[in-house]
Amino acid sequence: GQQVMQIPQYQHVQEGEDFTTYCNSSTTLSNIQWYKQRPGGHPVFLIQLVKSGEVKKQKRLTFQFGEAKKNSSLHITATQTTDVGTYFCADNSDYKLSFGAGTTVTVRA
Amino acid sequence: NAGVTQTPKFQVLKTGQSMTLQCAQDMNHNSMYWYRQDPGMGLRLIYYSASEGTTDKGEVPNGYNVSRLNKREFSLRLESAAPSQTSVYFCASIRLAGMNTGELFFGEGSRLTVL
Repeated sequence: GQQVMQIPQYQHVQEGEDFTTYCNSSTTLSNIQWYKQRPGGHPVFLIQLVKSGEVKKQKRLTFQFGEAKKNSSLHITATQTTDVGTYFCADNSDYKLSFGAGTTVTVRA
Repeated sequence: NAGVTQTPKFQVLKTGQSMTLQCAQDMNHNSMYWYRQDPGMGLRLIYYSASEGTTDKGEVPNGYNVSRLNKREFSLRLESAAPSQTSVYFCASIRLAGMNTGELFFGEGSRLTVL
């Protein structure tokens, strides 16, 4: 099965609200990547986290890597309709590059 | 640059038929991947090729074979298609997996229906 677990599987958000999606692993990750897939599209790279406790921001998106490097989160503030899609985390610790099941986000205008 | 190119984009097969999905990348990447995506299941790894000349099974390899033809090309073959193989297939490549060497680039996907 998948090494990284993502929660929640679905996130329904009112436009303007914030939300967070989480990625958890039972093993220590050397680094983790996040991708976004728009409906009908292909996954597109967002960011890579490498260091323990690392926090990176991209406009309204904040990515965090846990201190123990076993979990990661993506927080989106002031959700917009352009945020619709599925967000995946991926374990880049070895050649297998395994993905979590994703969090599918819908936005109510 | 074209990035990662997959063909065909759509295919309908009958149970028992065979077909090959083609993938090529023009970024001089070492590692290439085939994933399948089903509703609610995320991206599941079928096979990967860490570098030219090597291939390894992923999470769901049964019913598939792969060939790393050269550094650019990585094909996925269904020898005897089954309805359970109805899915969207993505090919992807990365400069070198397992290292801090960048991101996975995905093709646009191949939508396969097996009747």
